[in-house]
Amino acid sequence: AQTVTQSQPEMSVQEAETVTLSCTYDTSENNYYLFWYKQPPSRQMILVIRQEAYKQQNATENRFSVNFQKAAKSFSLKISDSQLGDTAMYFCAFSPHGGSQGNLIFGKGTKLSVKP
Amino acid sequence: DAGITQSPRHKVTETGTPVTLRCHQTENHRYMYWYRQDPGHGLRLIHYSYGVKDTDKGEVSDGYSVSRSKTEDFLLTLESATSSQTSVYFCAISGGQGKNSPLHFGNGTRLTVT
Repeated sequence: AQTVTQSQPEMSVQEAETVTLSCTYDTSENNYYLFWYKQPPSRQMILVIRQEAYKQQNATENRFSVNFQKAAKSFSLKISDSQLGDTAMYFCAFSPHGGSQGNLIFGKGTKLSVKP
Repeated sequence: DAGITQSPRHKVTETGTPVTLRCHQTENHRYMYWYRQDPGHGLRLIHYSYGVKDTDKGEVSDGYSVSRSKTEDFLLTLESATSSQTSVYFCAISGGQGKNSPLHFGNGTRLTVT
């Protein structure tokens, strides 16, 4: 079975500093997609970043970047210059290639608090 | 934001009563999904639809049914609600007509079964 593990239930970081959230996954697929979603207190789920497994280059979106290690099945999210608005739950998710990207398998989430 | 509206936003119901949650989209996207979110479990897929009248089960489909009679509407029904179905329910759509496009979520429905 495909699984996603986020080993850090909660983390905190000082404003303007850098923080890394961990995610590991288990799959026998060779091609797949990985995602990070953000859920602020408003409850809305917001796509932060997406990585396609066949692409070696790590995805970046402004202050957000990933460290994708395919062999290790690791997909960590780095947030640079943390801002108060980054306070949220962060979910790592996996989708097998070829299936609709909506059939996502989510980790249990990491609660990130950015402190002033 | 993608045009996704979930209704109701909140609902309290009693055990054994039927409940229907509605998801409405204005994006004309083919794929629609229902997830539930529970503490300690992240989000889990209940059912999804890949077109009008085309639906399939997800990871936690027991006790739920869905219908999609129009592209824009995807209904989730709890035939006889139980306390274990107390949860936050999210509808999502794929961000385009292709299969491999990212998900966009609605704002969720908080359902409490007493």
